[in-house]
Amino acid sequence: QVHLVESGGGVVQPGRSLRLSCAAYGFTFRSYGMHWVRQAPGKGLEWMAVISYDGSNTYYAGSVKGRFTISRDNSKDTLYLLMNSLRAEDTAVYHCAKDPSGYYYEGFDYWGQGTLVTVS
Amino acid sequence: QSVLTQPPSASGTPGQRVTISCSGSSSNIGSNYLYWYQQFPGTAPKLLIYRNNQRPSGVPDRFSGSKSGTSASLAISGLRSEDEADYYCAAWDDSLSGYVFGTGTKVTVL
Repeated sequence: QVHLVESGGGVVQPGRSLRLSCAAYGFTFRSYGMHWVRQAPGKGLEWMAVISYDGSNTYYAGSVKGRFTISRDNSKDTLYLLMNSLRAEDTAVYHCAKDPSGYYYEGFDYWGQGTLVTVS
Repeated sequence: QSVLTQPPSASGTPGQRVTISCSGSSSNIGSNYLYWYQQFPGTAPKLLIYRNNQRPSGVPDRFSGSKSGTSASLAISGLRSEDEADYYCAAWDDSLSGYVFGTGTKVTVL
């Protein structure tokens, strides 16, 4: 049974950094692309970034490109999001999500419950 | 930001059919698969429709998706109280090299 568990959220001051983690269970993590999607309080979903199964390909939303870095450790079945130069508008619940393909082709079939990041 | 446009709300009585539209452009819906997600307050989104019109196992056949050109729609037939949730469409955008979501539609069962 696929299970994704995010951690690392919290309250952080503007301009500081934070690293989120997403632990994966119940599937062969190294075979699938993985995404980060965020949702600001009371707002809609916003895609952040994707990384291919082997980490060789990454794409970012324009709003975070150059500030956020997605990475993965397939030996630990864990996905990461390093967030630098945080702004108040980055305040959101951050979800990791699994792609049914090895890259980014097939959307998001499983989601974690998310971790809240508050920039204040 | 949201690049795909959805109506902010939709409603119906139990048993009715409700349709939600999702409008995009040639760089997203017009050239890539469309996905639909259902989200209840305080919970993670759930995949409802993939590849325009395919249902994952476990999703009732009351939910159906379609796509034509740069628009898509989600239909909920035989509306039930447990369908009351937020619904989002999503697609890869070739120009942005990233996924774009719809603005979201809140479905209310009257």
